[in-house]
Amino acid sequence: KAGVTQTPRYLIKTRGQQVTLSCSPISGHRSVSWYQQTPGQGLQFLFEYFSETQRNKGNFPGRFSGRQFSNSRSEMNVSTLELGDSALYLCASSLGPSRGLITDTQYFGPGTRLTVL
Amino acid sequence: DQQVKQNSPSLSVQEGRISILNCDYTNSMFDYFLWYKKYPAEGPTFLISISSIKDKNEDGRFTVFLNKSAKHLSLHIVPSQPGDSAVYFCAASASNTGKLIFGQGTTLQVKP
Repeated sequence: KAGVTQTPRYLIKTRGQQVTLSCSPISGHRSVSWYQQTPGQGLQFLFEYFSETQRNKGNFPGRFSGRQFSNSRSEMNVSTLELGDSALYLCASSLGPSRGLITDTQYFGPGTRLTVL
Repeated sequence: DQQVKQNSPSLSVQEGRISILNCDYTNSMFDYFLWYKKYPAEGPTFLISISSIKDKNEDGRFTVFLNKSAKHLSLHIVPSQPGDSAVYFCAASASNTGKLIFGQGTTLQVKP
């Protein structure tokens, strides 16, 4: 079974621009979560989508947004880029919430390395 | 407020010996815990998990122990191998929320 794929793998943008990152989950997975990894802050949760709806949101400004399509693929958008947005953006997929079960393991893609100049 | 903490930024062990990585958490609502391994420029790879109804889960060389009263979990790797050298993250979630809270990571170096 193919793993989580993310495109592009690397991206260079300048301040003020916007960027869209894409994530394709493992086949059959309906939940997609996004994380930001920076050297100083570790892995920080951005948001999670399940069945095209945002189910959870982390503590990031409104410049960070996302969406999920009917095929479970997800996109993340960052508008008005700032230097501090330079990071590795990771997408993770899982089966999604299951009544009575708590073993919803997330599997990560390779990430998109975003550099803002 | 760091809800999941890995207080040791790095650990060095000899090949063949046991590696013990520790993780503490503060949120009593967490009921599912995971360990991930990460190489540079790659996404985290899932290693092993444990739910709060258990206190131990074993998978080959990897064993995770959970002490709910102390809000502490640990990952034991035995025997350690040079290929285990990576950054190890512990993560926790509450009731299938889809939101993982990660620790800061521990860099493990296994010396031949």
